[in-house]
Amino acid sequence: DGGITQSPKYLFRKEGQNVTLSCEQNLNHDAMYWYRQDPGQGLRLIYYSQIVNDFQKGDIAEGYSVSREKKESFPLTVTSAQKNPTAFYLCASSMRRLADTDTQYFGPGTRLTVL
Amino acid sequence: AQSVAQPEDQVNVAEGNPLTVKCTYSVSGNPYLFWYVQYPNRGLQFLLKYITGDNLVKGSYGFEAEFNKSQTSFHLKKPSALVSDSALYFCAAGRGGSYIPTFGRGTSLIVHP
Repeated sequence: DGGITQSPKYLFRKEGQNVTLSCEQNLNHDAMYWYRQDPGQGLRLIYYSQIVNDFQKGDIAEGYSVSREKKESFPLTVTSAQKNPTAFYLCASSMRRLADTDTQYFGPGTRLTVL
Repeated sequence: AQSVAQPEDQVNVAEGNPLTVKCTYSVSGNPYLFWYVQYPNRGLQFLLKYITGDNLVKGSYGFEAEFNKSQTSFHLKKPSALVSDSALYFCAAGRGGSYIPTFGRGTSLIVHP
């Protein structure tokens, strides 16, 4: 999975709890992304970041928050406001700042389950 | 707005037979096209990419894809399928610039022994 690590692999959350998913890359990439994957729905973009201390909402940002304090790290917090958070979450990075011609490199994913 | 369509949710093929996974795109200008593969409970892995030049792009694991501008298609192909090719395949497109690439919904490839 190309220099991107995600932890934990499995995460269980009780209703009303906030949880944070970790994403770290050692590829020296500028851009980082968070996607949500549900069966039959492909990938949906949650947030993306082009540079440290900057990030933008994707298509389904409600109930999620992110930070980009270091180039190599882009953690995602799933808040209690996200009503249906059970899904597979994928972090990705690409070399340049928001260039859709660049290959994306994906982490192994975190499977979040709400109990 | 750009879009990517993968018209088949699932493709079934017998081991040893050729396989095709279809992708069509709608992109203004010259498209940049990708195929990724996802094995169960794993992240996506890059297979191949078309930027410009030869319409036939060769990638990892014996896969290739053919760019057809007139049909706005970028179908993924392999001459002889393996059971281990069974996975979820995603097509993606960009148009060059400061944009997020657009992904298709994915096609599940099942190769039967």
